[in-house]
Amino acid sequence: QTVVTQEPSLSVSPGGTVTLTCGLSSGSVSTNYYPSWYQQTPGQAPRTLMYSTHTRSSGVPDRFSGSILGNKAALTITGAQADDESDYYCVLYMGSDIWVFGGGTKLTVL
Amino acid sequence: QLQLQESGPGLVKPSETLSLTCTVSGGSISSSSFHWGWIRQPPGKGLEWIGTIYYSGSTYYNPSLKSRVTISVDTSKNQFSLRVRSLTAADTAVYYCARQSGSYWSYFDYWGQGTLVTVSS
Repeated sequence: QTVVTQEPSLSVSPGGTVTLTCGLSSGSVSTNYYPSWYQQTPGQAPRTLMYSTHTRSSGVPDRFSGSILGNKAALTITGAQADDESDYYCVLYMGSDIWVFGGGTKLTVL
Repeated sequence: QLQLQESGPGLVKPSETLSLTCTVSGGSISSSSFHWGWIRQPPGKGLEWIGTIYYSGSTYYNPSLKSRVTISVDTSKNQFSLRVRSLTAADTAVYYCARQSGSYWSYFDYWGQGTLVTVSS
């Protein structure tokens, strides 16, 4: 079974730029996987950030951007702020009515 | 504003069946534009898609859980439900319901607040 991979943890300095990725244990991610991204803080439900690779959800600031980088989906945060410190999850549509979450990335802003 | 609210027991015994309901308000579960999903998150771990239902009753399940899971819909009550059989401690998790939108219902745009279910005797 294909696994959706994410960096377990990343760190960024305030004001800096960081890129989180979402890949496959076998194969390449393309727009046909309709990658989406979610932000979750402790004790809260996930918040939708991005869908269909690069479309921001309502209210999401434009310092969040989505793309395909090489063979992975990517979420880039430009000008990181303290409240960006969260867990981030991607979801890929695998076809055949199957959706798979990545393992999540814990982002630290320090 | 669309809202989803999970309800059900917080504690269930091993080997028993968990039943949760998600009540949708501020919108119709019978809309042809959306599907409705269940996701869970064990304590300290990541999110896992459990399954999805369309208002017509069509269902789609995570292959790893398919043998133990049933999702159903009650359009008259604007609700959909989850049943998980043969529970073990590994099923202890926060269970979320969510609306799925977009091409191939590929993203979850509205979420319930989640409900913690503990499997313990």
